[in-house]
This record gives sequence, C-alpha cells and structure tokens, in this order.
Amino acid sequence: GENVEQHPSTLSVQEGDSAVIKCTYSDSASNYFPWYKQELGKGPQLIIDIRSNVGEKKDQRIAVTLNKTAKHFSLHITETQPEDSAVYFCAASHNAGNMLTFGGGTRLMVKP
Amino acid sequence: GAVVSQHPSRVICKSGTSVKIECRSLDFQATTMFWYRQFPKQSLMLMATSNEGSKATYEQGVEKDKFLINHASLTLSTLTVTSAHPEDSSFYICSGGRGRNEQFFGPGTRLTVL
Repeated sequence: GENVEQHPSTLSVQEGDSAVIKCTYSDSASNYFPWYKQELGKGPQLIIDIRSNVGEKKDQRIAVTLNKTAKHFSLHITETQPEDSAVYFCAASHNAGNMLTFGGGTRLMVKP
Repeated sequence: GAVVSQHPSRVICKSGTSVKIECRSLDFQATTMFWYRQFPKQSLMLMATSNEGSKATYEQGVEKDKFLINHASLTLSTLTVTSAHPEDSSFYICSGGRGRNEQFFGPGTRLTVL
C-alpha cells in the first residue's frame, strides 16, 4: 500500500518568513495530493491540492510543487502570519477507492 | 461549498454506554464517507469507509461490532460506539468524498468515556 512520509515534524519560523514542508510517497499510481490545515480541536481543512498532471499550483501565499519522478511534493507558505500556526498534513491518493494516506503531520509555529 | 457537519461536537459518557455520532454533507452528495480516529499529536487513522446503501469496509484492527457505521443516504452517515470504554476516548472525524479523490472533513467529535 501507499506510504507517505512528512518532514519536518515541527517547524518554527518568524512572522514574514517562508515555511516549506516536504512529503514523499511510495506508490507511483498516486495521482492526487491534497494538503490540510488542522487547528487545535478542529477537523482538517483542505487548503490546496495538486494532481499528477500538474507540476506546480499556487493560491495567494500558498503553493504546492510536485515531482512525480522523485515521488515527492512540497507545501510552500510565504509571508507567514501567526494565524498560519497549525498542524499541516499532506496526503496522497489514487483513483481506486478514493482513500487518502496521510503523512505524520507538521506542527508549524509562526512567532510574531 | 463542500461543508461537512458533525454532531455532537463533544460528548462525555459513562463506561458501557453507546454513543452515536452523526456526519452530514451539507451542500454536496457524498458517495463515500470516511471515519477517522485521531489521538493527541498524531495523524488521522482511517477506521472505515462507507458507501451509501452498502456495508462499511473496516480497516484492519477496527472492530466492526464495536464501531457500527450506517450510511443511510448520500448526505448522512452515523458512527455508533457500542459499549464504550475509556480506551475509546478519542477525537473522531468524518469526511465526505465528492469524487475525484477529494475529501472534506467535519469538525470532529471529542469523545470522553468515564
């Protein structure tokens, strides 16, 4: 089955700096890669996703890149703000069953 | 769009009782619904997948007789924790699948079993 590794597990940045979170996956059949933000006591919220026919996608301060050959994808947050502090999860999926396999999560702390 | 609600948001019950958690997709039809369990500072652990009108598929190690899942319609799924014990205390989260692998999560239910 699919295995998703996520790094780092914790990340502390100064407000205004950029943050990068990286994930690798094992199943070359995976073709959908979402990123979720989870605040304390709440459910995960989809913030951006990318499909395997695209190498990069951007939405304001958030961008995701995908390298299918190397089987890794990354989340980039620019101009970080304190409200970006949360746990971020990457995931991978392929068409069969629509199931998601999650990474272990990254706790991002943005210091004012 | 793509909003999922869960009820209740938190529940405290006595050991041995059963607890039902509802998951609703408010603005889309969820052909598949997923139930996850999350322990503090850990990732989401998939418990089961359910399709409307059919029996749920449980992940290895998840007791189907303990965690009863019903997916009666394209907008409603329920998880019943039967004969709950303190070790069942956790954060339970559902998600609705909208097709093309997309999943949208509910706000979660905090279960505490005394």
